[in-house]
Formats: sequence, C-alpha cells, structure tokens
Amino acid sequence: AQSVTQPDIHITVSEGASLELRCNYSYGATPYLFWYVQSPGQGLQLLLKYFSGDTLVQGIKGFEAEFKRSQSSFNLRKPSVHWSDAAEYFCAVDTLNTGFQKLVFGTGTRLLVSP
Amino acid sequence: GAGVSQSPSNKVTEKGKDVELRCDPISGHTALYWYRQSLGQGLEFLIYFQGNSAPDKSGLPSDRFSAERTGGSVSTLTIQRTQQEDSAVYLCASSLQPRGGETQYFGPGTRLLVL
Repeated sequence: AQSVTQPDIHITVSEGASLELRCNYSYGATPYLFWYVQSPGQGLQLLLKYFSGDTLVQGIKGFEAEFKRSQSSFNLRKPSVHWSDAAEYFCAVDTLNTGFQKLVFGTGTRLLVSP
Repeated sequence: GAGVSQSPSNKVTEKGKDVELRCDPISGHTALYWYRQSLGQGLEFLIYFQGNSAPDKSGLPSDRFSAERTGGSVSTLTIQRTQQEDSAVYLCASSLQPRGGETQYFGPGTRLLVL
C-alpha cells in the first residue's frame, strides 16, 4: 500500500534559520506530491505541489521542495524561517490508481520557531 | 471568494448519540472529500463525492458512518451511536475536478468530542 513517512514529529528552528522538513513516500511510480500547512484552528493550505518536470518546486510563503526519485523523497525547505511559519506541515501523495484523486497523508511535522 | 465552510466548528456529544457534520464546498467544485484527523495521526480519508454520488466509501470506518451530498453542493457526514474513539477533527475538502493533481481546498474542520 502507498504510504508517506514524515520522520520528524517536532522540529524547533530559530527565527531566521533555515528549515528542512523530510518526507519519504512509498509508491511504484512517480506520484503527484503535495505539501500542506495547517495553522492552529485552521484548515490545510496548499504550499506547493509536484507533478513532473523540474524537480525543484517553488511554493507560497517562500517555501520550496525538491523531488528526488532515487531517494523517494520530497523534502520541504525554507532559507529563513519566520515566527509566523510555526504550524503543522503535512506531506501527501496522490497515487492516481483509484480513478480519482486520493491523497495519502503523512502524520505531520510540527514546527516550532524560537526567538 | 468564499472558501470551504464547515459547521459546527465544535461539537460535544455524549456516547451513543448521533451527530451531523456539515460541509459547504467552494461553489462550482464537483469533487468533495471528507477526512478524519485524530490526535497524533495524519489525515485519514473517509469518503469522496463526485457530484452527488459517492464512488468511493472505502474509508468509512464502520457502518455507523454515512454521508450524503445534495444538489452537487452541501454534504453531511452523519455518525450514529457515537463512540469515544470517534473523537477527532473532521475535515472537508473540495476540488474543481477529481483529477489527479488537482488542488484540494480544505475547510477549518469540525472538532468532535464524544464524552
């Protein structure tokens, strides 16, 4: 079965420091890949998505992610974290084998930003 | 324009009671999804609607869970004879089409607590 692994439950980063959130997926072909962010009490907001082509994807709020087929990874990065980035981040894969879009989510990484 | 809305935002109920959760998708979105987010878990797919029909109900955890969608718009998720393990945040999402790679837009969720 398809799965998404986010190995870090919590990450604490100092404001202004760089950030990398890890995501690994298990799927036979190249899936569609997504990163969503969930702020407290809010729904999920799409940060970026990857379909094909350039493996470095730019998203909103200064985030980017790189698809590495050889590592089955889609890590999220930001060069300089702001306090407002504190939230929970979810990686998801669209497996495309059900005839409709069906997202499988990781368990999330909670980002804490220290002053 | 208006995003996905859900009501109520919070619901506290007693074990054994029935609850109804409502989702208003973005106007014109044909696909609608329900997810469950339990504490410490990722998002768990429950059910998907294309128009008013539900081609995939595979994620519903038991026959106590049901959902319908009317007029290709509003959807209601009903949980009968609630159990404490049903306590979770129930998220609704909609997308323009159910095609792979489409962006799903999420509502703020309904937080359900079963006492």
